[in-house]
Amino acid sequence: GDSVTQMEGPVTLSEEAFLTINCTYTATGYPSLFWYVQYPGEGLQLLLKATKADDKGSNKGFEATYRKETTSFHLEKGSVQVSDSAVYFCALSSNDYKLSFGAGTTVTVRA
Amino acid sequence: NAGVTQTPKFQVLKTGQSMTLQCAQDMNHEYMSWYRQDPGMGLRLIHYSVGAGITDQGEVPNGYNVSRSTTEDFPLRLLSAAPSQTSVYFCASRSVGTVEEKLFFGSGTQLSVL
Repeated sequence: GDSVTQMEGPVTLSEEAFLTINCTYTATGYPSLFWYVQYPGEGLQLLLKATKADDKGSNKGFEATYRKETTSFHLEKGSVQVSDSAVYFCALSSNDYKLSFGAGTTVTVRA
Repeated sequence: NAGVTQTPKFQVLKTGQSMTLQCAQDMNHEYMSWYRQDPGMGLRLIHYSVGAGITDQGEVPNGYNVSRSTTEDFPLRLLSAAPSQTSVYFCASRSVGTVEEKLFFGSGTQLSVL
């Protein structure tokens, strides 16, 4: 079945540091890939998405590229801020309805 | 636009008690779902529905019931709560036009079963 594997956290960074969160997937067919973010006390929000190989999703300074050859969708940001402290989830959808989520990576950015 | 509304935000139950977690959306979404979120395990799908009168099981359905009598509402019932059901529960909805339609989440219900 479909599955998503994320790097384990927690990750602690200083402001303006570079952030990478690794995500790899297993799926039948050609899934759509997503990164969701969960800020403290809130539900998940879509951060970015990519729907086909070599697509790059981007939003709020975050980027992720759909790499079919390595079945990966790593999340990157060049200069993090304290406000980026959150839990980040990689997810995929390979049919009409269901999303499969990774375990989530907690990121804490210190001033 | 309220989006997805979940109630209550917090709940404490004793083992064996029953309760219903409420979820409502005002976006006319066909698809609604319930997830539970546990540390180190991400979100796991409990039940989902693709329209009024239609429900199906997700990855972890045991101990939970759902119904979908209207497009707007998708309640989750715990018939006899167990400590293993201590978790944070999220309701989510989206339209079903394409697989890349984004999922809208409620703010969650934190449930503790003693």
